[in-house]
Amino acid sequence: DQQVKQNSPSLSVQEGRISILNCDYTNSMFDYFLWYKKYPAEGPTFLISISSIKDKNEDGRFTVFLNKSAKHLSLHIVPSQPGDSAVYFCAASRDNAGNMLTFGGGTRLMVKP
Amino acid sequence: DAGVTQSPTHLIKTRGQQVTLRCSPKSGHDTVSWYQQALGQGPQFIFQYYEEEERQRGNFPDRFSGHQFPNYSSELNVNALLLGDSALYLCASSWDLAGHTDTQYFGPGTRLTVL
Repeated sequence: DQQVKQNSPSLSVQEGRISILNCDYTNSMFDYFLWYKKYPAEGPTFLISISSIKDKNEDGRFTVFLNKSAKHLSLHIVPSQPGDSAVYFCAASRDNAGNMLTFGGGTRLMVKP
Repeated sequence: DAGVTQSPTHLIKTRGQQVTLRCSPKSGHDTVSWYQQALGQGPQFIFQYYEEEERQRGNFPDRFSGHQFPNYSSELNVNALLLGDSALYLCASSWDLAGHTDTQYFGPGTRLTVL
């Protein structure tokens, strides 16, 4: 039972345009959500998070949107840069604790120059 | 400031053997979590250690065990290895905030291959 799903295994975007990565979850107990970026041969790097009491959180070029009623979150990257090319994972946890993270399967983003 | 470090980088074992993986947390962190990432999938939570005790555990059999030392470093042990245990094993460290874990920072992982 996959509680966190990233339905697009890959996404290709032109440099300078917006990248939108999507994530759906099924467990209504999740109340804290995170995005991680992973380059080959490296561990996941934390990007941005959002608590369920918010519907938007911004950090520079990265914005995460949360739609609790739809159990959907998205990561927007504007403008996209070639260095953003990586695998992006969304993750969720319960009780705003961040203790046990449940990850989606990842989306490979390719930003073309 | 050193980040999370893991050793070894790569490891090859045969079925039935036992393996120990090691993790040193980021400076100032006191909580260590372990994840298994199979090829093409997202990381799966194995367990978390805080104050030298296992605090939470994911859906993994007892063959997977761990330990945390007084200096907060941690080991992951897997007994009776199966082919399906082949994966990237990731360690993440964080700072405990009164029972809640702050953002988890990941190490580069140990690639385990079971033949």
